[in-house]
Amino acid sequence: DTGVSQDPRHKITKRGQNVTFRCDPISEHNRLYWYRQTLGQGPEFLTYFQNEAQLEKSRLLSDRFSAERPKGSFSTLEIQRTEQGDSAMYLCATLREPPYNEQFFGPGTRLTVL
Amino acid sequence: AQKITQTQPGMFVQEKEAVTLDCTYDTSDPSYGLFWYKQPSSGEMIFLIYQGSYDQQNATEGRYSLNFQKARKSANLVISASQLGDSAMYFCAMRGVSGGGADGLTFGKGTHLIIQP
Repeated sequence: DTGVSQDPRHKITKRGQNVTFRCDPISEHNRLYWYRQTLGQGPEFLTYFQNEAQLEKSRLLSDRFSAERPKGSFSTLEIQRTEQGDSAMYLCATLREPPYNEQFFGPGTRLTVL
Repeated sequence: AQKITQTQPGMFVQEKEAVTLDCTYDTSDPSYGLFWYKQPSSGEMIFLIYQGSYDQQNATEGRYSLNFQKARKSANLVISASQLGDSAMYFCAMRGVSGGGADGLTFGKGTHLIIQP
């Protein structure tokens, strides 16, 4: 399977705990994006990487959120001191360099904070 | 700032009929791209079609076509000969190609399409 993969698919945690999600991109895709999708809404952009460099962060990405992409391969998204409002689907997407336009999405990680 | 508006929260369509999903957008970028994604109940986002703002022709991909009207800032998705498997959420999205701001996609709230036999 050469698609985008995410792990875990589901995560249930208690408020105040830290969680970390992983995204493995399609191998030749240099750009990697994180989105958050809450129930009944479209995905919202959080941050993106070009290779290992984090180039843009949304205002949605509070200081409790941190993302990394060491060596420009897989990426992790960590949420510290989780809150109930963090419950959402976290989606990863990757993209080859232009002129390609299509972002390929992974299956997502559904986070439930109790 | 970019904004996508999808005014149809839900639609019911008879199988084999054509369906049009509405999308209007707002951006100050002179160059941008418009996308449609399908999200079945399983949750994955499936790319359907892309239209560049300077493309002269409307984009087509199999049963999907994008009715791009630049002056009206609309990018409606047309699905011909709908099938039961087309039942899903459909999201319109855009990405500014030039200018500052996030390189990520800006999505609308989606339209829930249900195909009835």
